[in-house]
Amino acid sequence: SAVISQKPSRDICQRGTSLTIQCQVDSQVTMMFWYRQQPGQSLTLIATANQGSEATYESGFVIDKFPISRPNLTFSTLTVSNMSPEDSSIYLCSVEDRGSSYEQYFGPGTRLTVT
Amino acid sequence: DAKTTQPPSMDCAEGRAANLPCNHSTISGNEYVYWYRQIHSQGPQYIIHGLKNNETNEMASLIITEDRKSSTLILPHATLRDTAVYYCIVRVFFNKFYFGSGTKLNVKP
Repeated sequence: SAVISQKPSRDICQRGTSLTIQCQVDSQVTMMFWYRQQPGQSLTLIATANQGSEATYESGFVIDKFPISRPNLTFSTLTVSNMSPEDSSIYLCSVEDRGSSYEQYFGPGTRLTVT
Repeated sequence: DAKTTQPPSMDCAEGRAANLPCNHSTISGNEYVYWYRQIHSQGPQYIIHGLKNNETNEMASLIITEDRKSSTLILPHATLRDTAVYYCIVRVFFNKFYFGSGTKLNVKP
């Protein structure tokens, strides 16, 4: 199974600023996913990030607010832009393991608090 | 949108089997059912998945009804460490996962 790390593990940010979250995986993967988990809620898919192409965003999420980069097969970043308190959430990345029937492996998450 | 519905919570006595149900009545013929669990807001952990047949691994068993409209995750001997939120997910096009609200399993001594 893939081992995924995220940086930072947590942060407290001021309203109006931006934070970039990094996701690093220990093997090459084609598809990476970004999720948001608001307090007490389930996970919501933000976007799918394939290497070499633009990220595909889910309904309700836009590139201006959540720009994503995918420069290679082991790394991706998600930026939360112009933050407001409503952006306070845990942000998780996951990778798809095509060698194991497409199950996804999740990173530990980044806990973001916006004040 | 999530294609699954689960009870919000369940209790189970330690050492007993925990049976967690999931309805996925709109599942398509080639869509797999996956189960994950999340402990204390950590990243979700993969448990098991299946298409039509029942599946078993070292963690759990997955029973899928013949019409594939529902499934049950079975933890054969629940321990306190199995207390978590369990998510039943139908993997849809482009291999996306849409999480439902999950079941909070409380394992009690």
